[in-house]
Amino acid sequence: GDSVTQMEGPVTLSEEAFLTINCTYTATGYPSLFWYVQYPGEGLQLLLKATKADDKGSNKGFEATYRKETTSFHLEKGSVQVSDSAVYFCALSVVAAGNKLTFGGGTRVLVKP
Amino acid sequence: DGGITQSPKYLFRKEGQNVTLSCEQNLNHDAMYWYRQDPGQGLRLIYYSQIVNDFQKGDIAEGYSVSREKKESFPLTVTSAQKNPTAFYLCASSIVGQGGHNEQFFGPGTRLTVL
Repeated sequence: GDSVTQMEGPVTLSEEAFLTINCTYTATGYPSLFWYVQYPGEGLQLLLKATKADDKGSNKGFEATYRKETTSFHLEKGSVQVSDSAVYFCALSVVAAGNKLTFGGGTRVLVKP
Repeated sequence: DGGITQSPKYLFRKEGQNVTLSCEQNLNHDAMYWYRQDPGQGLRLIYYSQIVNDFQKGDIAEGYSVSREKKESFPLTVTSAQKNPTAFYLCASSIVGQGGHNEQFFGPGTRLTVL
């Protein structure tokens, strides 16, 4: 079946540090890949997505590249802010599975001033 | 403003009681989903619906029921058969089609606590 594995947190960083969250996947078909962010007590918001190999998704200074050869979609940001403190979820969807999302376990990021 | 609303934000229930969580969307999306989130864990799919009057079980449907009588609404009932119902419940919606590239839009969630 389809699955997503992402690094466990929490990840604690100082402001302006470089952030990487690893995400790898297995999929029975050709997936689309997503990163969602969840702020405390809220629902999820789409951060970025990529729909085919070598696509780079980007938003709010975050980037992730769809790497089919390594089945990965790692999230990066060059200089984090306190406001980036949240839980980040990697997810995939496959057309054959009815466009359902399969989520990773989430990675909590805490940025300290 | 278009979006998804869930009510109530916090819900308390006595053990053995059924409770219904509301989810409404005005995005004109065909598909709607219910997820459960436990502390420190990812989201697990309970039920989903891609068209009115039709829905499918997700990975953890036991102890839950849904209906989809209107495109805009997808209520979730947590029954007394659900052995561990205390969790954060999230509703989402999306368009159908476009080869699986469809973003899901999420509501703010309902935190259910069973006393």
